[in-house]
Amino acid sequence: EPEVTQTPSHQVTQMGQEVILRCVPISNHLYFYWYRQILGQKVEFLVSFYNNEISEKSEIFDDQFSVERPDGSNFTLKIRSTKLEDSAMYFCASSEKGLDRSYEQYFGPGTRLTVT
Amino acid sequence: AQSVAQPEDQVNVAEGNPLTVKCTYSVSGNPYLFWYVQYPNRGLQFLLKYITGDNLVKGSYGFEAEFNKSQTSFHLKKPSALVSDSALYFCAVRGLFPAYGQNFVFGPGTRLSVLP
Repeated sequence: EPEVTQTPSHQVTQMGQEVILRCVPISNHLYFYWYRQILGQKVEFLVSFYNNEISEKSEIFDDQFSVERPDGSNFTLKIRSTKLEDSAMYFCASSEKGLDRSYEQYFGPGTRLTVT
Repeated sequence: AQSVAQPEDQVNVAEGNPLTVKCTYSVSGNPYLFWYVQYPNRGLQFLLKYITGDNLVKGSYGFEAEFNKSQTSFHLKKPSALVSDSALYFCAVRGLFPAYGQNFVFGPGTRLSVLP
């Protein structure tokens, strides 16, 4: 069964450094998402992406964050200058159809980001 | 605004006994409701969803969930629990209307422990 994959599984970085989290969505999916889960807290929506542009973002997704689909398979989340409070598990998800809200999203295993 | 509550942080059940993981939601209009499960070091896996029709929906691994509109609930159930069902379970809601956006709103999660 196709899966969403994410690399790396764990990233440790120093405050102020840039990080790029990578995801390979399921191949025939067109809608892509990033969520995060701070330890012990809820899974929170960050951003959705379709047709090479952001379709929706939350208030968490400020100017320090950006997303990109650099080629036909990867979907990346960049944090320009990491803060301690960016430490969280970051999940990538993809969906065959996004505008149809009845469709489920498929999640990757997550990247644990630790900012020191 | 949409919200999801999972009133129990932890549910313990003996193997072979029925299990229930509770979920209540708040959203205007009819919602789309989902259950996801998270095993250690894995991403969120889709279990089942309610879109419309029969209030009892069946999903993966023998799980089912009952939509109750009057109680705004969508409890996850399984007639006979297995030790391998031990995991973190998330309820999620998606509003029907574009104003709610494309993203899921997740509950805080319930940790299910099935004891042998």
